[in-house]
Amino acid sequence: ETGVTQTPRHLVMGMTNKKSLKCEQHLGHNAMYWYKQSAKKPLELMFVYSLEERVENNSVPSRFSPECPNSSHLFLHLHTLQPEDSALYLCASSQGGGGNYGYTFGSGTRLTVV
Amino acid sequence: AQSVTQLGSHVSVSEGALVLLRCNYSSSVPPYLFWYVQYPNQGLQLLLKYTTGATLVKGINGFEAEFKKSETSFHLTKPSAHMSDAAEYFCAVRGINQGGKLIFGQGTELSVKP
Repeated sequence: ETGVTQTPRHLVMGMTNKKSLKCEQHLGHNAMYWYKQSAKKPLELMFVYSLEERVENNSVPSRFSPECPNSSHLFLHLHTLQPEDSALYLCASSQGGGGNYGYTFGSGTRLTVV
Repeated sequence: AQSVTQLGSHVSVSEGALVLLRCNYSSSVPPYLFWYVQYPNQGLQLLLKYTTGATLVKGINGFEAEFKKSETSFHLTKPSAHMSDAAEYFCAVRGINQGGKLIFGQGTELSVKP
C-alpha cells in the first residue's frame, strides 16, 4: 500500500469518550502533520513531527494528544472533546519540511462530537 | 514572513468556460509555490508546483499556473471547465522557517454550472 492512509474515515463520539485517529505513510517521509479543517475556515495546522520528534504545537488544547512512535505512524488521541471539535482531521507527510516537494495528504477522518 | 492570499473564497463558472483562480504570495526569498485540490470529504491532492525553471507550470487535469515575480502572483487556470473540476483549491508557499513548512491560503471553492 502506498501513500498516506487515515483510519477511521468517519468517527462519531460522545464528549466523554476516548478515541484515537491513526495515520500511516509508506512513502519513506520523515515529517508528519495533523491539520484540522472546519467548515468555512482555513486549514489549521495542529502538530508537526520531524524525525519522530514534535517540533510544533500550535496552541492546541490538551484534549488533543499526538503520538509518533516511528516515522511511518502518527496518532491523534482524543478525550473529553467539545462539539466545536467536530471537523475533518487531515494527516500529511513530507520529506524534510515539504517546501521542495510538497505534502502528501491522507483522505482525512470526519469527526463528529455529540 | 511568507504568506499567501487567495482572492475570492468562491468562484463560479459555466461548463466550458475559462477557470481563473487567483493567488498572490509574499516571500522574502525566491518562492516555491504549490496548488492543491480538495474534493468533498477527501484530502488535498497536489495539482502542480513551481520551484525553479520555467515559469509556466503544467499540472494534472489540464490545469496550469504561471509564476509572475513582478506581480507576486501564481494564478491557476484551465481553458475549459468541466463539471468534475468543482472542488476547493488551495495555494501554498514554502516558508523559510521551521524547515520550509508550507503556508496555505484560505482556499477558493470552485463551482461549475452546466
